[in-house]
Amino acid sequence: KQEVTQIPAALSVPEGENLVLNCSFTDSAIYNLQWFRQDPGKGLTSLLLIQSSQREQTSGRLNASLDKSSGRSTLYIAASQPGDSATYLCAPRGAGNMLTFGGGTRLMVKP
Amino acid sequence: DAGVIQSPRHEVTEMGQEVTLRCKPISGHNSLFWYRQTMMRGLELLIYFNNNVPIDDSGMPEDRFSAKMPNASFSTLKIQPSEPRDSAVYFCASSGDYSWGTEAFFGQGTRLTVV
Repeated sequence: KQEVTQIPAALSVPEGENLVLNCSFTDSAIYNLQWFRQDPGKGLTSLLLIQSSQREQTSGRLNASLDKSSGRSTLYIAASQPGDSATYLCAPRGAGNMLTFGGGTRLMVKP
Repeated sequence: DAGVIQSPRHEVTEMGQEVTLRCKPISGHNSLFWYRQTMMRGLELLIYFNNNVPIDDSGMPEDRFSAKMPNASFSTLKIQPSEPRDSAVYFCASSGDYSWGTEAFFGQGTRLTVV
């Protein structure tokens, strides 16, 4: 059974900092991995999809990397802004076509 | 496309009542997922459909929960009878087949409160 761990669980940084969110998963037999953002009381918004054959995927100030063999992914946020404050979730997609979620990283960017 | 549409957005019901949650996936997607989110347990997969057929329902907590997908554009999750511990946010998500490498998209969720 896939298990996903996200570190740190919470993070508070001043505006402008570059930061890294970590995701590790136990079963490396995945098809892809998605990073999502969830604002309080809202649904999940897809940020990036990285295929198992890819090493990196970029969208604006976001960059996700994937090391499938070691079961790790990172989400890099450049020049953080208060609007980036949210919970970030990673979800590898593996056996049975299922997305398995980590507990998320709750990010607060202070002005 | 309007995205994944869930209804109702909020539901408050009394213990013992039947609750039906509804989901319309994105047109053309052939995979549909129901998730439940609570503070204690995070996001849990309840059931997954592929081409309208239930593939994995191992996450359905007990017989009080049932899900159907009568066609490619509609799915329901039913709880009968409901209990206070069922209070949570229920999300529906859809995607293309995993072999296509497509993203999964989530609806806005249904916040269920059982009193």
